[in-house]
Amino acid sequence: DTEVTQTPKHLVMGMTNKKSLKCEQHMGHRAMYWYKQKAKKPPELMFVYSYEKLSINESVPSRFSPECPNSSLLNLHLHALQPEDSALYLCASSQDPRGGETQYFGPGTRLLVL
Amino acid sequence: AQSVTQLGSHVSVSEGALVLLRCNYSSSVPPYLFWYVQYPNQGLQLLLKYTSAATLVKGINGFEAEFNKSETSFHLTKPSAHMSDAAEYFCALNNAGNMLTFGGGTRLMVKP
Repeated sequence: DTEVTQTPKHLVMGMTNKKSLKCEQHMGHRAMYWYKQKAKKPPELMFVYSYEKLSINESVPSRFSPECPNSSLLNLHLHALQPEDSALYLCASSQDPRGGETQYFGPGTRLLVL
Repeated sequence: AQSVTQLGSHVSVSEGALVLLRCNYSSSVPPYLFWYVQYPNQGLQLLLKYTSAATLVKGINGFEAEFNKSETSFHLTKPSAHMSDAAEYFCALNNAGNMLTFGGGTRLMVKP
């Protein structure tokens, strides 16, 4: 089973709201990733967690706050977002953070910021 | 620095025709290469992966890709297109840090 689940599927929020995106995998993977994808563009890496520790932050604004409570779960906390943050947010996981490991993607959360 | 270039942001084929999606890469080290497919409003699904075991890689749904070191290419092919193949296709490369570098994507349209 190579399933990564994400909730919610859709999210609409105002610029003053606080919300969270959730990602879960039960494949025993030790690396997890957050990507942002704008329409008609490839995914852009935001964060990488390796063995539950943040290893890469691709200069993402502080209004996005990742959290990895355990090896199966990855959250992305959202606060004071801007309309330009509207996008598809994808979570992925891989066996470990070594090069060449396949990343398996979830279905994404489509976020609209009003 | 590494990069991936997908030639043709849109490719249109007739149902039953050959599908050819082009991908060229630049990498200072032997690359791991991937093709992913994304259907509308969905995440990315792995089609196939090159790991240097064989230059011709077979994937799901009848797709295959050939690694060509001299041309630094990893083109994706399928002998006969189906309507269900209409989607966005991404070629990607990753390195020792397992960070994926994506190409710009190619939208495949299949005409009946």
